[in-house]
Amino acid sequence: QKEVEQNSGPLSVPEGAIASLNCTYSDRVSQSFFWYRQYSGKSPELIMSIYSNGDKEDGRFTAQLNKASQYVSLLIRDSQPSDSATYLCAVNGWNGGSQGNLIFGKGTKLSVKP
Amino acid sequence: DTGVSQDPRHKITKRGQNVTFRCDPISEHNRLYWYRQTLGQGPEFLTYFQNEAQLEKSRLLSDRFSAERPKGSFSTLEIQRTEQGDSAMYLCASSHSHTEAFFGQGTRLTVV
Repeated sequence: QKEVEQNSGPLSVPEGAIASLNCTYSDRVSQSFFWYRQYSGKSPELIMSIYSNGDKEDGRFTAQLNKASQYVSLLIRDSQPSDSATYLCAVNGWNGGSQGNLIFGKGTKLSVKP
Repeated sequence: DTGVSQDPRHKITKRGQNVTFRCDPISEHNRLYWYRQTLGQGPEFLTYFQNEAQLEKSRLLSDRFSAERPKGSFSTLEIQRTEQGDSAMYLCASSHSHTEAFFGQGTRLTVV
């Protein structure tokens, strides 16, 4: 059973702080990793993708990948109240020799307090 | 609009009725995914297509569920003999192979 695990939260941080969101995955051969943001009642919105070990930065967001530890994280710098949402980690599964479906964690709810 | 489009946005149906949802992916994307999401849960994988081939189906996809992508473009998801437990948001996403997948706005199904 391929799994993606996230702490469901809620994670509460003050405005301007760094929010750190974590994710672990079970399928060692996974090669593509994604973070989505989902506002209540809306569909998931892609915010970051990462494919190789290390850090990838995009504006206030940094994704970190450690394949040896099967661990992905998302850092949000200078957190804003508008960042309050559920953050979903997604990993490509492996299907018969190629990358298959996207497997999602249950999401971490982030609350940024003004 | 070049995003993923889903229709209808909302559907209320009586238990036992059949429903069909449509998804139009981003035009150059060869992969199309269907997910189901209930309150407080992450999206649960149902099935995905690469072009017109249905490559994987979840065990969640009972024999009441069927999906098609006949020409490798739009897809339909049909639920037969709906049950109250089918009430959920049905999400469609598309991607180019295993790269970033983009979601449509979803179809919210309520079975009464």
